[in-house]
Amino acid sequence: GENVEQHPSTLSVQEGDSAVIKCTYSDSASNYFPWYKQELGKGPQLIIDIRSNVGEKKDQRIAVTLNKTAKHFSLHITETQPEDSAVYFCAASIKSGGYQKVTFGIGTKLQVIP
Amino acid sequence: DADVTQTPRNRITKTGKRIMLECSQTKGHDRMYWYRQDPGLGLQLIYYSFDVKDINKGEISDGYSVSRQAQAKFSLSLESAIPNQTALYFCATKGTTTDTQYFGPGTRLTVL
Repeated sequence: GENVEQHPSTLSVQEGDSAVIKCTYSDSASNYFPWYKQELGKGPQLIIDIRSNVGEKKDQRIAVTLNKTAKHFSLHITETQPEDSAVYFCAASIKSGGYQKVTFGIGTKLQVIP
Repeated sequence: DADVTQTPRNRITKTGKRIMLECSQTKGHDRMYWYRQDPGLGLQLIYYSFDVKDINKGEISDGYSVSRQAQAKFSLSLESAIPNQTALYFCATKGTTTDTQYFGPGTRLTVL
């Protein structure tokens, strides 16, 4: 089955700096890659996603890049702010028997230091 | 108002007890999911349901059962709770025309 590895597990950055979280996946048939942000005491919330036919997608300070050949994708947050502090999960999704199976990474705890 | 709600938010129970976690959604989605979150393990799928009559096991269904009482309600039961079921449990929903899953706020379950 699909295996998603996520690095780093923790990340501390100074406010205003950029943060990068990287994920790799194993199944080349995966075609949808969402990123979720989980704040303390809340459920994961989708912040950005990318499909396999796109190499990069940007939404304000957040961008995601996908390299299908290398089977890795990354989340980039620029001009970080204290409210960006949270746990971020990457995921890879693949169609399996009529069901879109989603495999999550283990999460990255991002701390933005004011 | 929250689109996906879970009750209770926190629960402490004892080994061997039966417990039910409930999930309700107002998004009108057909598909609902139960996940378990453990530190360092990400989210693991327990059960999923495409509609009221279609329920499927996920990766870690042993020790759990579910009931889809209506399109908007999906309950997770632990028939005889054990300490290694201590975890954070999330319900999620998804529409048929989107790949995005919407998560509830979670239920923190502790089994003593």
